[in-house]
Amino acid sequence: EPEVTQTPSHQVTQMGQEVILRCVPISNHLYFYWYRQILGQKVEFLVSFYNNEISEKSEIFDDQFSVERPDGSNFTLKIRSTKLEDSAMYFCASSERDTGTGAFFGQGTRLTVV
Amino acid sequence: AQSVTQLGSHVSVSEGALVLLRCNYSSSVPPYLFWYVQYPNQGLQLLLKYTSAATLVKGINGFEAEFKKSETSFHLTKPSAHMSDAAEYFCAVSVTGGGNKLTFGTGTQLKVEL
Repeated sequence: EPEVTQTPSHQVTQMGQEVILRCVPISNHLYFYWYRQILGQKVEFLVSFYNNEISEKSEIFDDQFSVERPDGSNFTLKIRSTKLEDSAMYFCASSERDTGTGAFFGQGTRLTVV
Repeated sequence: AQSVTQLGSHVSVSEGALVLLRCNYSSSVPPYLFWYVQYPNQGLQLLLKYTSAATLVKGINGFEAEFKKSETSFHLTKPSAHMSDAAEYFCAVSVTGGGNKLTFGTGTQLKVEL
């Protein structure tokens, strides 16, 4: 069964460092997303991406964040200068259509900023 | 803006007993509703979805949910709990024209006891 894959599964980084979280969405999906889940809190939407541009972003997704689809298979989330409060589980997701289908999620990357 | 409320952050049932996890939604336009399950150290798996067809939706692992517009509810049920059902369950909503941006509830941790 097709799945969304994320690497790495865990990442520890020092405050102020840049991190790149990587995702390979399901191959025939066209819509891509990043969500995050801070420990003990709800899953929150960060950004959606379609046709090589951001289609929607949340208030959380400030200038420190960026997304990119550098090739035909990868989808990345970059955090330029990490803060302690960026520590969370980051989920990549993809969907075939832009509405009503839900999304398929990866296993997540646990980011710890120290 | 749309939202979901999950009543009960923790639910405990005996193996073989009925599982009932509650979700109420708020939306000014017809919603799409989803239940996701998260097993320990894993990603979010789509259990089932309501997309304005049948109001009773059947999902994987014997779960089902009923959309009740009059009650703005989308409760998740399973007739007989199994130990393997122990996980965290998230209700989520998206809306037409809102892409597949999902707004999640706070989750319900299901514990199944012998």
